[in-house]
Amino acid sequence: ETGVTQTPRHLVMGMTNKKSLKCEQHLGHNAMYWYKQSAKKPLELMFVYSLEERVENNSVPSRFSPECPNSSHLFLHLHTLQPEDSALYLCASSLRARKDYNEQFFGPGTRLTVL
Amino acid sequence: AQKITQTQPGMFVQEKEAVTLDCTYDTSDQSYGLFWYKQPSSGEMIFLIYQGSYDEQNATEGRYSLNFQKARKSANLVISASQLGDSAMYFCAMWYTTGGFKTIFGAGTRLFVKA
Repeated sequence: ETGVTQTPRHLVMGMTNKKSLKCEQHLGHNAMYWYKQSAKKPLELMFVYSLEERVENNSVPSRFSPECPNSSHLFLHLHTLQPEDSALYLCASSLRARKDYNEQFFGPGTRLTVL
Repeated sequence: AQKITQTQPGMFVQEKEAVTLDCTYDTSDQSYGLFWYKQPSSGEMIFLIYQGSYDEQNATEGRYSLNFQKARKSANLVISASQLGDSAMYFCAMWYTTGGFKTIFGAGTRLFVKA
């Protein structure tokens, strides 16, 4: 079993819905990440949290709102999404949010479909 | 601009043979890190190997080795003695710090191992 879990694994929502993705890591790491993987596009880093503080926001639309209440949990709150937001959303964690030896452990992802 | 390029959308290899997956990168950072991840059809991202820009020796992890040629800005993944379970998508990624903590991924190479 992976040390990083994500729920739900699959989510279908309408454009007017509000939903949240949850990520939990059991590895004692201090950094957590949200990635978006769309068909035919490289994996995109969305947010980085280090010790519960957001250290990176890669020009992500405000309809995606991250929350990191503690170093083990990371949420991605979704509201008024667009169909083009349909993708696999991957959560990852690492010991530190630093460039040197930074092995990231990924969760299984949430497959999101926006109708 | 920072960039990762994987020019092989798909590759075939015979079981038990070695295969090289290409990755070239571009960065103005002097210090950076390069990673390879494997993504099976189940969707999770599995860390394979890491190479730091200042590491003098090529990284190796079991059957995986990273052929790092800094002057050519290439970081090819070599898988020796391919197994059927190696069939998956493989992503090359780079970690750098210009403009903050950043990770970018290549488009990926799908590897098919034939029995």
